[in-house]
Amino acid sequence: GENVEQHPSTLSVQEGDSAVIKCTYSDSASNYFPWYKQELGKGPQLIIDIRSNVGEKKDQRIAVTLNKTAKHFSLHITETQPEDSAVYFCAATFNNAGNMLTFGGGTRLMVKP
Amino acid sequence: GAVVSQHPSWVICKSGTSVKIECRSLDFQATTMFWYRQFPKQSLMLMATSNEGSKATYEQGVEKDKFLINHASLTLSTLTVTSAHPEDSSFYICSAGTSGSLGSRYEQYFGPGTRLTVT
Repeated sequence: GENVEQHPSTLSVQEGDSAVIKCTYSDSASNYFPWYKQELGKGPQLIIDIRSNVGEKKDQRIAVTLNKTAKHFSLHITETQPEDSAVYFCAATFNNAGNMLTFGGGTRLMVKP
Repeated sequence: GAVVSQHPSWVICKSGTSVKIECRSLDFQATTMFWYRQFPKQSLMLMATSNEGSKATYEQGVEKDKFLINHASLTLSTLTVTSAHPEDSSFYICSAGTSGSLGSRYEQYFGPGTRLTVT
């Protein structure tokens, strides 16, 4: 089955700096890679996703890059703000997996004002 | 769009009682719903996958007689924790996905979670 590893487990940055979270996956058949943001006591919220037919996707301050050959994808947050502080999870799945996601272990991002 | 609700948001129950948690997709039809359990500072652990009108598929190690899942409609799934014990205390999260087929949208959206405390 799929295995997703996420690094780092914690990340502390100064407000305004950039933050990068990296994930690797094991199943080359995986073709959909969402990122979720989870605030304390709440459910995960989909913030951006990428499919295997593209290498990069951007939405305002967040971007995701995908390297299919190396089987890794990354989340980039620029101009970080204190409200970006949360736990971020990457995930991977394959079309026919019935939408079942395999999650990374999560990254706790702390943005210091 | 793509809103998933859960009810209740938190519940405290006594050991031995049963608790039902509802998960609803409010603005789309979810052919598949998932139930997760999350321990503090850990990732999401998939408990089971349920498809509308059929029996749920449980992950290894999850007791199906203890965690009863019903997916009666395309917008509602329920998780019942039967004969709850303190070790069942956790954060339970559901998610809803659209049907997965090549070329179609298959994002998965999560509910806000239910904090269960068993005393």
